Amino acid sequence: LAKTTQPISMDSYEGQEVNITCSHNNIATNDYITWYQQFPSQGPRFIIQGYKTKVTNEVASLFIPADRKSSTLSLPRVSLSDTAVYYCLVGLNQAGTALIFGKGTTLSVSS
Amino acid sequence: DSGVTQTPKHLITATGQRVTLRCSPRSGDLSVYWYQQSLDQGLQFLIQYYNGEERAKGNILERFSAQQFPDLHSELNLSSLELGDSALYFCASSPDSKYTGELFFGEGSRLTVL
Repeated sequence: LAKTTQPISMDSYEGQEVNITCSHNNIATNDYITWYQQFPSQGPRFIIQGYKTKVTNEVASLFIPADRKSSTLSLPRVSLSDTAVYYCLVGLNQAGTALIFGKGTTLSVSS
Repeated sequence: DSGVTQTPKHLITATGQRVTLRCSPRSGDLSVYWYQQSLDQGLQFLIQYYNGEERAKGNILERFSAQQFPDLHSELNLSSLELGDSALYFCASSPDSKYTGELFFGEGSRLTVL
């Protein structure tokens, strides 16, 4: 599985757009990019997944450049309830490998 | 509600003891994953089962073991407990053995070892 690098923390204010970038230089051809959100003392929750270009759902957008060596999770108009840890995962779980969550990015949203 | 059920939600025990954590996956999901989350280690992958068979192994200690039963529920057994085993233990499930999308996580079992 490709290793990912994300900022440890980010701060924002309510109503702002937040962009969290994840680097994955060793991404393989068949790898997908998936983002999870985790609130304190809760299990991670799937946000969005993409392979290339742009994916948008009701919660976020995911931008993936042509070389796929990075990706950016975009959260529009964040609120206090978006304060959480965001994880970027890259890869496919082949038999014998492990699904690795990195340290994630702790997003703090203030009023 | 993810559809994944974990019991117990909280557990307090002493060093040297043995505990069993239980996980019921979403209806129809064949894969179960166990993760450990402590303050200083983040979310650590322990082990994955698919339809009763072990599929992937992470940083699982020899004192820990898991299994998946014919009804697809899974149990994580932790023995000779140490203070450092205090953590949140999450179970997740997915439809098949390959991760191609979404993992569904339970609410976790918080283990405190005194």
